[in-house]
Amino acid sequence: EDQVTQSPEALRLQEGESSSLNCSYTVSGLRGLFWYRQDPGKGPEFLFTLYSAGEEKEKERLKATLTKKESFLHITAPKPEDSATYLCAVQEEGGFQKLVFGTGTRLLVSP
Amino acid sequence: DVKVTQSSRYLVKRTGEKVFLECVQDMDHENMFWYRQDPGLGLRLIYFSYDVKMKEKGDIPEGYSVSREKKERFSLILESASTNQTSMYLCASSLGGQGYSPLHFGNGTRLTVT
Repeated sequence: EDQVTQSPEALRLQEGESSSLNCSYTVSGLRGLFWYRQDPGKGPEFLFTLYSAGEEKEKERLKATLTKKESFLHITAPKPEDSATYLCAVQEEGGFQKLVFGTGTRLLVSP
Repeated sequence: DVKVTQSSRYLVKRTGEKVFLECVQDMDHENMFWYRQDPGLGLRLIYFSYDVKMKEKGDIPEGYSVSREKKERFSLILESASTNQTSMYLCASSLGGQGYSPLHFGNGTRLTVT
């Protein structure tokens, strides 16, 4: 059974304090790994898709990386508006656009 | 921008009631999904549909059914609501085909069953 584990569950940073969120996964064959951001009271918003080990994607202060067993979401010099829950999801090869989600990391960035 | 609209933000229903959750998307997407989100359990797939009148069970379909009579609309039905169906329900849509296209989510319906 596919599993996605995110750590830490919660992370509190000071503005400008860089850090990383982790997503480890077990699938028989990875088709893609996805990062979403979810603000309170809203649905998840798509951030990145990674398809193969070694791939990296960047968006503003966020950079996602992928290895064969895990993905990291690096947050560089975060701002309070980066506060949200970050969700990781995997799609197995052959799985029709079905995603298995982790439980997320709640990030709070204080000014 | 893709818009996925869920008809209610909050619903309170009684045990045994039949409950309809409605979702509409405006981008002509082939695929539509219903997830529920619970603390500590993440998002779990209930049902999905890749075409009009087509439906497939997700990971937790028990106690639910769906209807997709038109491409833009995907309804989730709780035949007889129970307290363990109290949850946040999220609808999503994506382009069709075998490749992956991002899921676009609505803002959710928080359902309480008393």
